[in-house]
Amino acid sequence: KAGVTQTPRYLIKTRGQQVTLSCSPISGHRSVSWYQQTPGQGLQFLFEYFSETQRNKGNFPGRFSGRQFSNSRSEMNVSTLELGDSALYLCASSFGVGNQETQYFGPGTRLLVL
Amino acid sequence: AQSVTQLDSQVPVFEEAPVELRCNYSSSVSVYLFWYVQYPNQGLQLLLKYLSGSTLVESINGFEAEFNKSQTSFHLRKPSVHISDTAEYFCAVSTSMNRDDKIIFGKGTRLHILP
Repeated sequence: KAGVTQTPRYLIKTRGQQVTLSCSPISGHRSVSWYQQTPGQGLQFLFEYFSETQRNKGNFPGRFSGRQFSNSRSEMNVSTLELGDSALYLCASSFGVGNQETQYFGPGTRLLVL
Repeated sequence: AQSVTQLDSQVPVFEEAPVELRCNYSSSVSVYLFWYVQYPNQGLQLLLKYLSGSTLVESINGFEAEFNKSQTSFHLRKPSVHISDTAEYFCAVSTSMNRDDKIIFGKGTRLHILP
């Protein structure tokens, strides 16, 4: 099985621009979660999608949004980029529930905002 | 609100020696606890988790963690480390079995294995 893939792997944008990141989960996984990792704030949960519905959302401003398609692929969008949005954005897909749940992360998209 | 504290930002240890990475949490409600690992230049991986049942949970690569409710801890241990264990380890807590519901991560502990 192919792992979780994220595109692009690296991205450079300027303040005020918007960006869309893509995540393709492992085949058969219907849950996709997004995380932001920065040296200052560490790992923070952004949101989770399951069967095209946002199931959970972290404490991020409305500039951060996402969606999931019928094939479980997910996109994350950040509008009006700020310098502080520079980070590694990680996507994870999961399958199962409780102790039987497994979760796999993608390699991440490294975003630099200038 | 819950919080997670990883007391050590870096832990150096000689190869084949035992290691303990400390994690303490605070919460006014029941919690679910997780350890994640991020190897150099690789993505994050879920290492192990405590949801319910036995307070001692194990991973497939020899790590184990024990949920201690009275001490509000979930320390990660391995009796003998290898060079391949060099990575950053993150402890996380959630108040929901649906893990991602407001999950909080610790700042991470870098494990350095010395030859």
